[in-house]
Amino acid sequence: GNSVTQMEGPVTLSEEAFLTINCTYTATGYPSLFWYVQYPGEGLQLLLKATKADDKGSNKGFEATYRKETTSFHLEKGSVQVSDSAVYFCALSPQVSGTYKYIFGTGTRLKVLA
Amino acid sequence: SQTIHQWPATLVQPVGSPLSLECTVEGTSNPNLYWYRQAAGRGLQLLFYSVGIGQISSEVPQNLSASRPQDRQFILSSKKLLLSDSGFYLCAWSGGAADTQYFGPGTRLTVL
Repeated sequence: GNSVTQMEGPVTLSEEAFLTINCTYTATGYPSLFWYVQYPGEGLQLLLKATKADDKGSNKGFEATYRKETTSFHLEKGSVQVSDSAVYFCALSPQVSGTYKYIFGTGTRLKVLA
Repeated sequence: SQTIHQWPATLVQPVGSPLSLECTVEGTSNPNLYWYRQAAGRGLQLLFYSVGIGQISSEVPQNLSASRPQDRQFILSSKKLLLSDSGFYLCAWSGGAADTQYFGPGTRLTVL
């Protein structure tokens, strides 16, 4: 079946540090992959997405590359800020006809210290 | 542009009381609509989705029900709340089955 595995948090970094949050997936076919961010007390916001192998999604300094050979979609940012503190969710959409269900990871909490 | 609204933002209800959470979408027609629950410190659980008026699919058997009385309105209900119904409820929409899902601001429900 389809699944998403994210690294356990919390991740605590100093401002301007490099960020990597690992995400691997299991899926049949060719899913679309997403990163969502959730700030405290708010809903999820789409951060970036990739729809096919080797695509790179990017937004607000965050990047993730769809790696089919390693079934991964790791989130990276070169220099984090305190305002990046949030919970990050990796998700996949199976892209199978009639399937509506996104598969979400359990989320990784990021805390950035000034 | 499309926007999604949820209300109320927060709700505290006693065990055994009824529940009605509302979600509306603006700026699009015939969206797919979704209800998720996020328990404290955990990931998202899809509860219901709808591909059209009156069409509801349930993902998890539970104490909750959903309805879609209008194209852009999605309602989550319960006749009698349980303690385990506490959580953060998120509504989402997409333009199609495989399209990106966009989330509302959420409703935090506390059942006492």
